[in-house]
Amino acid sequence: GQQLNQSPQSMFIQEGEDVSMNCTSSSIFNTWLWYKQEPGEGPVLLIALYKAGELTSNGRLTAQFGITRKDSFLNISASIPSDVGIYFCAGHSGPAQKLVFGQGTRLTINP
Amino acid sequence: DAGITQSPRHKVTETGTPVTLRCHQTENHRYMYWYRQDPGHGLRLIHYSYGVKDTDKGEVSDGYSVSRSKTEDFLLTLESATSSQTSVYFCANSGDRDGKLFFGSGTQLSVL
Repeated sequence: GQQLNQSPQSMFIQEGEDVSMNCTSSSIFNTWLWYKQEPGEGPVLLIALYKAGELTSNGRLTAQFGITRKDSFLNISASIPSDVGIYFCAGHSGPAQKLVFGQGTRLTINP
Repeated sequence: DAGITQSPRHKVTETGTPVTLRCHQTENHRYMYWYRQDPGHGLRLIHYSYGVKDTDKGEVSDGYSVSRSKTEDFLLTLESATSSQTSVYFCANSGDRDGKLFFGSGTQLSVL
């Protein structure tokens, strides 16, 4: 089946640093989504991207839908302690298809 | 907030026993999903529903069954629990099949 490769698997950064993570696939997706999961909770949708090349921001978060439609990137600027969590990318091929999740990037921030 | 309540939040059971996890939504969303989350695997779809009594398998459906007799409730049953089914289980719903899911807080299941 379809698989998403998300990297890095984990990140340890200092507060205030910028963060970059990405997701790649061997398959084309029509929609890319980024979710964040905090400890003890379910994932929450951060950003959804619908068009190749699209760049979308949500506060300090910026995500891009790759031109090839096989990848996506998430950047977090000026990280703060509440950014800690696991970030998941997800790809969607269309209404009849199921959502595919990456393995997650665990973000840890040292104050 | 998509109004999803999962119960129980934690459960410990023994191998071979049946287990049912419940997901309740306060919205009238058509689509509901059950995922399991394991280290190194992310979220994997077990079963999903696209309406009352309409369900289909996901990528890891073996050993699991589901039922949806009402719009608001989606049940996941492990007929005979095994240690490999120790996991965190998440229910989610969506109003459309656009990938925008709203998740519950999860059920931590341990099978001893």
